[in-house]
Amino acid sequence: EPEVTQTPSHQVTQMGQEVILRCVPISNHLYFYWYRQILGQKVEFLVSFYNNEISEKSEIFDDQFSVERPDGSNFTLKIRSTKLEDSAMYFCASTGEGYEQYFGPGTRLTVT
Amino acid sequence: DAKTTQPTSMDCAEGRAANLPCNHSTISGNEYVYWYRQIHSQGPQYIIHGLKNNETNEMASLIITEDRKSSTLILPHATLRDTAVYYCIVRVAERNTGNQFYFGTGTSLTVIP
Repeated sequence: EPEVTQTPSHQVTQMGQEVILRCVPISNHLYFYWYRQILGQKVEFLVSFYNNEISEKSEIFDDQFSVERPDGSNFTLKIRSTKLEDSAMYFCASTGEGYEQYFGPGTRLTVT
Repeated sequence: DAKTTQPTSMDCAEGRAANLPCNHSTISGNEYVYWYRQIHSQGPQYIIHGLKNNETNEMASLIITEDRKSSTLILPHATLRDTAVYYCIVRVAERNTGNQFYFGTGTSLTVIP
């Protein structure tokens, strides 16, 4: 069964450094999303992406964040200058022609 | 905004049916009810969705009241692996929609041996 994959599974970085989180959505899907979940809190929407541009973004998704689909398979989330409060699980998701979003296993980002 | 209300936690005996309620009194006519679950810190997993008719798949059944203001997810024979946080979400569902999900705090279901 096709699935969303994410790399790395765990990323440790120092405050102020740039990080890129990578996702490979399900191959024929058209919409892509990033969510985050701070430890012990709920899953929060960050951004949705369609047709090579951002469709919607939340207040969390400020100028420090960017997304890109550099080729036909990868979908990336970049945090330009990480802060301690960016430590969280980051989930990628995708939707095809159906109604369900399929989520990846997540990347745990730890900012020290 | 999640637009749904769920109990914070529930217990269920292994092998018994788990019935998870959800209130969505402000649901609009074109909004579906979705259920996802999250096991430990894994990515949310799709379970089932419906508009107004009851739905069943290999994982669960979804019962939606006639006025659509509430619903119940039923796991017919709960196993220890069903221990997870269960999220009830309402949102518009159209083909090729890009609408994102807004998660609430969900119900933490513990299946007891």
